[in-house]
Amino acid sequence: NAGVTQTPKFQVLKTGQSMTLQCAQDMNHEYMSWYRQDPGMGLRLIHYSVGAGITDQGEVPNGYNVSRSTTEDFPLRLLSAAPSQTSVYFCASSLGTGGTAGGETQYFGPGTRLLVL
Amino acid sequence: GENVEQHPSTLSVQEGDSAVIKCTYSDSASNYFPWYKQELGKRPQLIIDIRSNVGEKKDQRIAVTLNKTAKHFSLHITETQPEDSAVYFCAASKRTGTASKLTFGTGTRLQVTL
Repeated sequence: NAGVTQTPKFQVLKTGQSMTLQCAQDMNHEYMSWYRQDPGMGLRLIHYSVGAGITDQGEVPNGYNVSRSTTEDFPLRLLSAAPSQTSVYFCASSLGTGGTAGGETQYFGPGTRLLVL
Repeated sequence: GENVEQHPSTLSVQEGDSAVIKCTYSDSASNYFPWYKQELGKRPQLIIDIRSNVGEKKDQRIAVTLNKTAKHFSLHITETQPEDSAVYFCAASKRTGTASKLTFGTGTRLQVTL
């Protein structure tokens, strides 16, 4: 059981380039999400998914696209990279969406460090 | 939307002392409050959480208290050890539509000195 995995670990892009950050989980989790972590700003939600074929925007979605064709995978696409997207990106998953209880334990991947020049 | 404020941003304590980190939230409908620990270069990991129907929860040296009226919650670490040194994040969430979305605080860097 590998948990949540992310690739690549580190990536350097030039402004305007596109790329996809990969995220996979083998825990049959329903809920998956992407966060970015910047110094002094905590973790901010980019996009999330409550199941295959269902995605929605988080707090900072501009410049990013997601799709969820399978339960296991939730890739994050940068359409045209900008220096402002330099950050550490974390994927996370949880068994469910927490129902009316408000939330469930989220398990984070190891992160992808992205540098946009 | 929800706004979570966290204080202090840095905290230095001596080994064996207690550490307290405080968070406030803005949305009274938030009902789930987890705390995550992130060691340098590692992923965040849940250490404890509390739901709005509980005022306090304890797990060995770690405890969390929640005051719904004042909309604040706190993390208490007793008998601190060097391995407690890390960045700690609080978060708040509530059910919105089909999912619950976490809003994180900005983090507290805890350093436990010998």
